[in-house]
Amino acid sequence: TQLLEQSPQFLSIQEGENLTVYCNSSSVFSSLQWYRQEPGEGPVLLVTVVTGGEVKKLKRLTFQFGDARKDSSLHITAAQPGDTGLYLCAGSLLGGATNKLIFGTGTLLAVQP
Amino acid sequence: NAGVMQNPRHLVRRRGQEARLRCSPMKGHSHVYWYRQLPEEGLKFMVYLQKENIIDESGMPKERFSAEFPKEGPSILRIQQVVRGDSAAYFCASSPIHSGELFFGEGSRLTVL
Repeated sequence: TQLLEQSPQFLSIQEGENLTVYCNSSSVFSSLQWYRQEPGEGPVLLVTVVTGGEVKKLKRLTFQFGDARKDSSLHITAAQPGDTGLYLCAGSLLGGATNKLIFGTGTLLAVQP
Repeated sequence: NAGVMQNPRHLVRRRGQEARLRCSPMKGHSHVYWYRQLPEEGLKFMVYLQKENIIDESGMPKERFSAEFPKEGPSILRIQQVVRGDSAAYFCASSPIHSGELFFGEGSRLTVL
């Protein structure tokens, strides 16, 4: 059973395009994080969202936490080849151990120059 | 400020041998987590440790796998009598307190021949 489903699984776009990655669940999370992982490396934390409806911006990346804290989205504006990588959402279940992160299935993004 | 250090980065073992993976958390971090990433799958929680204590090992296989985080020295994930299905990337993460933000190492990639 996969608690966090990400879509799409794979995405190949041209430089300059916009894209949105989704992270969905039927469970409620106390917090949700987005990581980016490059080949041969460990995941690197991009952002943490805690409040339902919260929106955070990190340069060209916009993260949103759903009002019910069951889902999240990552929007990238004007994608660049440097954005290529595996994007992972991860959540801490409400009422669960805070650090026992549940990771999503991942979205592999390739930005072509 | 060095990040989470894992070694070895790559390890090759034959079936039936033992694998030992080491993790030194970031300075000032007393919480260590181990995750496993199988090909085509997301990160799966294995175990959460503090110094000299296993806090949550609900993700650890019941046999052949063990973990420790001694008072002195790195955390060690030990896999006895490895099988081909143990081939994966094993990631260690640390956090300074019981929070939801983890800092990952670059991983140890185990290949079982």
